[in-house]
Amino acid sequence: AQSVTQLGSHVSVSEGALVLLRCNYSSSVPPYLFWYVQYPNQGLQLLLKYTSAATLVKGINGFEAEFKKSETSFHLTKPSAHMSDAAEYFCAVSDTGTASKLTFGTGTRLQVTL
Amino acid sequence: EAQVTQNPRYLITVTGKKLTVTCSQNMNHEYMSWYRQDPGLGLRQIYYSMNVEVTDKGDVPEGYKVSRKEKRNFPLILESPSPNQTSLYFCASRRAGTDTQYFGPGTRLTVL
Repeated sequence: AQSVTQLGSHVSVSEGALVLLRCNYSSSVPPYLFWYVQYPNQGLQLLLKYTSAATLVKGINGFEAEFKKSETSFHLTKPSAHMSDAAEYFCAVSDTGTASKLTFGTGTRLQVTL
Repeated sequence: EAQVTQNPRYLITVTGKKLTVTCSQNMNHEYMSWYRQDPGLGLRQIYYSMNVEVTDKGDVPEGYKVSRKEKRNFPLILESPSPNQTSLYFCASRRAGTDTQYFGPGTRLTVL
């Protein structure tokens, strides 16, 4: 069965600092991986996705993630945090390539401080 | 505007009183799903549908029913709600052949 593990339920960074949100996956077949963001009182919005093309994936709002098969990781990064990045971030995996069934991690809440 | 809508957005009910949460999408998407979000558990899929009259169980289907009589609608039915179904529910849709799901704004359900 496929799964994702997000290390750290809460991450706090200063404005302007590097953002690093960790995601490790477990899948018996090449996975499709996603990062979603959820702003307060809103639904989920796709940040970026890995679908077996380039291993470094760029998404919206300056975020990017690198697929590392040897480490089974898909960590999300942003060079410089903004206050507007404060939200909850979810990593998700699909092993079918069709994302009929997304398996989500437990989420990481990002806090950005002045 | 392309969107997924859910109604109601907030609902407080009592144990055993049947309820339906509606979901509608205007993008002509084939795939639709229901998820529930609980603190510390992330989102878990309840049911999904690949097209009209085609549905299948997700990870946590117990206590829920769905139907897909029309392409645009995918209601979630709780025949006899219980307090452990208190949660935040999301509907999502996706076009066949693509991998991006579009989520609705969520329905916060409280079962007393």
